[in-house]
Formats: sequence, C-alpha cells, structure tokens
Amino acid sequence: EPEVTQTPSHQVTQMGQEVILRCVPISNHLYFYWYRQILGQKVEFLVSFYNNEISEKSEIFDDQFSVERPDGSNFTLKIRSTKLEDSAMYFCASRQGAVADTQYFGPGTRLTVL
Amino acid sequence: QKEVEQNSGPLSVPEGAIASLNCTYSDRGSQSFFWYRQYSGKSPELIMSIYSNGDKEDGRFTAQLNKASQYVSLLIRDSQPSDSATYLCAVGAGKSTFGDGTTLTVKP
Repeated sequence: EPEVTQTPSHQVTQMGQEVILRCVPISNHLYFYWYRQILGQKVEFLVSFYNNEISEKSEIFDDQFSVERPDGSNFTLKIRSTKLEDSAMYFCASRQGAVADTQYFGPGTRLTVL
Repeated sequence: QKEVEQNSGPLSVPEGAIASLNCTYSDRGSQSFFWYRQYSGKSPELIMSIYSNGDKEDGRFTAQLNKASQYVSLLIRDSQPSDSATYLCAVGAGKSTFGDGTTLTVKP
C-alpha cells in the first residue's frame, strides 16, 4: 500500500541553524501539507501546497519557514533559523485531490532544537 | 477562528465495553470530518471519515454526524486494550483543524 515517507525520523539541531525536513508524498497525490505537533499539544496546520505553490498557510508559517517541491517527488520544509519553540513533531501529509479525499500522514520527523 | 472541541479525558472503559468519544466544531460550513487514532510518538492514523448526517459503521467503529448541532462522535464497540490511544477529531479534508484529542484507556 502506498505511503507517505519522511526523513529523517529525528533531527537534532542548534538554535539558529537551518534544517530541512523531507517528505515523499504518495505518487499520484496532488495536494501536500505540513503539520506540526508540539509535545502534549494538538496537531496544527502549517501550510498546504498545490500546483507548485503555497495554497494556504497558517499564522505559524512565518518568514522563517519555506516549502519546496524540488524534483517532482520530494516535498521539503525548511526552517531558516531554528528557535527553541520549533521543537516538535512535523508531519507531512498528502491528498489525491477530490473534495472528499482523505489525507494520509507520514510517520513524522521529531525536531529537537537545543 | 475555526475550533474543534473534544470531550475532556482521559476516558477509561473496561474491555468489551462501548467507548464514546465526542467532538463539536465551530465552522458551520464544514463538510468533511475525520477521526484519527494516535499512539504516543506516532503520526495520526485514520479511523473513520464521515461527510453526511447520520451514522457510518466500519467494523467495531461507528461515526455519527449531526451538522445541525455541529457534532461528531465516535463509538467503539467491544473495546480492546489495543484501542488504548489518543483519538483526534479533525474537520476539513485538507488544512484540517484538529481537536486536542481524548485519551482512551481500555482496561483488561
């Protein structure tokens, strides 16, 4: 069964460093998402991406965040200058496209900012 | 601000009992509703989706939707210890808004 994959599973970085989180969505899916979940808190929407551009973003997704689909298969989330409060699980999700379609989540990347 | 509220937990039921999880949402225009199960440190796993008023059954799980009351519920029949997890209610097919989750413990 097709699945969303994410790498790395765990990323440790120093405050102020740049990190890139990688995702490979399900191959025939057209909509891509990043969510984050701070430990003990709810899953929060960050950004949606369709047709090679951001379609929606939340207040959390400020100028330090960016997304890219560099090669038609990978979907990346870059955090330019990490802060302690960026420590969280980051989940990638993809959806085929119809209104009623389900989004499928990847296993997540645990980001720890020291 | 779209909000999704879930009944506060934790919820504990004996093995074999029915577990009832509830969720209300604020956006009256919402069309898609989902229940996810999340184990600690893992990603959300889809349990049920529901789009129309009424009940939808899948095995031991039944989702109920009442758009007039802006209410979604999940019933788990014959609860098993392996059902012990946090259950997340989500509204919206993409750009989903999630509730805080309800932690369910099924005691053998």
